Amino acid sequence: AQKVTQAQTEISVVEKEDVTLDCVYETRDTTYYLFWYKQPPSGELVFLIRRNSFDEQNEISGRYSWNFQKSTSSFNFTITASQVVDSAVYFCALSEAQTGGFKTIFGAGTRLFVKA
Amino acid sequence: NAGVTQTPKFQVLKTGQSMTLQCAQDMNHEYMSWYRQDPGMGLRLIHYSVGAGITDQGEVPNGYNVSRSTTEDFPLRLLSAAPSQTSVYFCASRGLQDGLFLGNEQFFGPGTRLTVL
Repeated sequence: AQKVTQAQTEISVVEKEDVTLDCVYETRDTTYYLFWYKQPPSGELVFLIRRNSFDEQNEISGRYSWNFQKSTSSFNFTITASQVVDSAVYFCALSEAQTGGFKTIFGAGTRLFVKA
Repeated sequence: NAGVTQTPKFQVLKTGQSMTLQCAQDMNHEYMSWYRQDPGMGLRLIHYSVGAGITDQGEVPNGYNVSRSTTEDFPLRLLSAAPSQTSVYFCASRGLQDGLFLGNEQFFGPGTRLTVL
């Protein structure tokens, strides 16, 4: 069965600190996609990144970086030099090929507070 | 493009009342879905559709009905509201890439905050 665990419920940092949000997933499928979404205080959900199971290259986008490790079933998200605007709830999600990608499973989310 | 729109933004119901949450998208996406978001539980899939006339259940379908008569619209019906259905509801849509939905991100509506008294 597919499962996504975000063990950190809330994280609080001071501006300019680096912070890593953990995501651990479970799947029996060999073909799957992992996603990160951001939900700022305004409430909308915004797509950040996708990664397929065959591509373990890390990705960097500005202050954001993602570390995908199949050996530990993890897809962690790091924000470098955090800013107040990074305050949000962040969700990790999993889509499996065996369900056609029809049933995306979300983690419980990590609420990040960045204090000025 | 308006993207994914949802109405209403807020709704208060009494136990036993019925209502329909509306969702529409203008991106010509075949896949649409409904999620509910509860504190500490992330987003849980209620129902989804992969095209007009095709719907299926997600993780938490009980108490909800859906239909898909057009590509654009995917309404969610609460037949007899219960306090346990107090939640924030999100509609989402997703396009095809290389004939598959799997690797594409979902586009979410702004959400409907529902309170059942």
